[in-house]
Amino acid sequence: GENVEQHPSTLSVQEGDSAVIKCTYSDSASNYFPWYKQELGKRPQLIIDIRSNVGEKKDQRIAVTLNKTAKHFSLHITETQPEDSAVYFCAASKNTDKLIFGTGTRLQVFP
Amino acid sequence: SAVISQKPSRDICQRGTSLTIQCQVDSQVTMMFWYRQQPGQSLTLIATANQGSEATYESGFVIDKFPISRPNLTFSTLTVSNLSPEDSSIYLCSSKSGRNSGTQYFGPGTRLLVL
Repeated sequence: GENVEQHPSTLSVQEGDSAVIKCTYSDSASNYFPWYKQELGKRPQLIIDIRSNVGEKKDQRIAVTLNKTAKHFSLHITETQPEDSAVYFCAASKNTDKLIFGTGTRLQVFP
Repeated sequence: SAVISQKPSRDICQRGTSLTIQCQVDSQVTMMFWYRQQPGQSLTLIATANQGSEATYESGFVIDKFPISRPNLTFSTLTVSNLSPEDSSIYLCSSKSGRNSGTQYFGPGTRLLVL
């Protein structure tokens, strides 16, 4: 079955810097890749997603890139702010079915 | 986006008992999912709850321990049976949005502590 690896497990950046989180997946049939943000004690919230027919998607300060050949995708956050501090999870799915999650990245943005 | 609610939000249970968690979606959805999130960990899919058929369980999860009901297109329950301290976790339901079939939204979760 699908396996998703996520790195790094923790990431600390200065406010205003960029943050990059990387994930790799094992099943080449996976074609949907969402990213979720989870604040302490809250539910996971979808922040951006990408399908396998595009290589990049951007939404304001957040972007996701996908390399199907290498089977990896990345989340890029620019101009980080303290409110970006949270745990971020990547996930992979075949035909937008069940999601297999990565292990999570705890992002801390220091003012 | 779909609005998903769960009950209870938290509970403390004695070992050997069972807890049933309810998940309500504000619109009809084909698929609902149940996840477990152990403290400080990622989300692990327990099963997919299909309306009108048996739930589909992931490896490591069995129906006797995690029976699921899906009586209609807006509601599902997950029961965690014969509780042990290892079942202490957050249980989350999710559903796929009707407008964008790929997008999954999560309920607020049920925090379970087993003593």
